[in-house]
Amino acid sequence: EVQLVESGGGLVKPGGSLRLSCAASGFTFSSYNMNWVRQAPGKGLEWVSSIALHTYIYYADSVKGRFTVSRDNAKNSLYLQMNNLRAEDTAVYYCARAGGSTWFSDHWGQGTLVTVSS
Amino acid sequence: QSVLTQPPSVSAAPRQKVTISCSGSSSNIGNHYVSWYQQFPGTTPKLLIYDDNERPSGIPDRFSGSKSDTSATLGITGLQTGDEADYYCATWDSRLSAVVFGGGTKLTVL
Repeated sequence: EVQLVESGGGLVKPGGSLRLSCAASGFTFSSYNMNWVRQAPGKGLEWVSSIALHTYIYYADSVKGRFTVSRDNAKNSLYLQMNNLRAEDTAVYYCARAGGSTWFSDHWGQGTLVTVSS
Repeated sequence: QSVLTQPPSVSAAPRQKVTISCSGSSSNIGNHYVSWYQQFPGTTPKLLIYDDNERPSGIPDRFSGSKSDTSATLGITGLQTGDEADYYCATWDSRLSAVVFGGGTKLTVL
């Protein structure tokens, strides 16, 4: 069974940093592209970042230059380093497995809440 | 303002059919596969349709996807009260080099 478990969310002040982790199991992590998607309270889904198997990394314009996605295939883990956080980054952050070359998300974690507030 | 445009809400009676539209452009829907997600309040999104019209294992055939030019449609037949949820379309946008989501559509089964 595919499982994705996010951790690392919490309350942080504007300008602060957080590192989210996503522990993957039940599939060969190194063979899949991965996505981060967020959802602000009461709002819709917003794509944050995608990381391919080897080379390609993509970011939403809203987080480019502030967020960094990475993966450790040996640890079956995905990460999202978030710096210079803003109030508008407040959201539930989901880790999702990309099911194909077009980046659709076929399995999602339960999400971790990031709250940016003073 | 989302790159993909969905109606904020749709409604229909039980056992009826409803369609949810998703409008885009040549840089996204027009040249890339569309996926659809279902999300109940307070829960994780679930993949309903991928590659325009393919259903993952376990998704009933009451759910279908189609695409024409720069628009995609999710169809749900035999509506049930349990289908009340938010539905999102998504695809890749080659001009933005980004995954783009629609704003979401709230389905009400009257």
